[in-house]
Amino acid sequence: NAGVMQNPRHLVRRRGQEARLRCSPMKGHSHVYWYRQLPEEGLKFMVYLQKENIIDESGMPKERFSAEFPKEGPSILRIQQVVRGDSAAYFCASSPTYTGELFFGEGSRLTVL
Amino acid sequence: DQQVKQNSPSLSVQEGRISILNCDYTNSMFDYFLWYKKYPAEGPTFLISISSIKDKNEDGRFTVFLNKSAKHLSLHIVPSQPGDSAVYFCAAPFGGGAQKLVFGQGTRLTINP
Repeated sequence: NAGVMQNPRHLVRRRGQEARLRCSPMKGHSHVYWYRQLPEEGLKFMVYLQKENIIDESGMPKERFSAEFPKEGPSILRIQQVVRGDSAAYFCASSPTYTGELFFGEGSRLTVL
Repeated sequence: DQQVKQNSPSLSVQEGRISILNCDYTNSMFDYFLWYKKYPAEGPTFLISISSIKDKNEDGRFTVFLNKSAKHLSLHIVPSQPGDSAVYFCAAPFGGGAQKLVFGQGTRLTINP
């Protein structure tokens, strides 16, 4: 039973480019969360999705960031026109239920040059 | 607004002794708390939790204590083992039952042989 799979593990982008981070939740999990960890900080909630629905995006920056979890395929966190401040580790987590335990992926580390 | 704070960025403990990691919170509405453990280049993994109706929860070598009047919780690891070397985060759910978590900044624990 594979865990939460994130790819790419490492991504380097130049300022102004787009970054796409993918997350496949654990089998049977329909609740997906994205968290961001800036250097020397704790993880910060960004967005909570279920299949085809964004449930709570209160932690997402208002511009340039978007997330989706389509009926088929992985959840995607998209960052347009990246800036240096977007450099961080982005963690995806999934759970089987609304209140179920979170299982985290290994993270995607974005570096913006 | 940092609702969950871990004021010690690092802690070094001798193998076999007790490790005590501390966490303070400001929001009296939190109704349970979690501890996560994180190794480098991996995602956080759930360690132990405690409901606000309890003051202690124990699981093997790990015990979490909650002092609601002081808005303080602590994680005790005894005896400490080299494999316990990791970053430990305390967290609390906010905004309803879903797993929207607010994390502390983390404490890096090093167990010395």
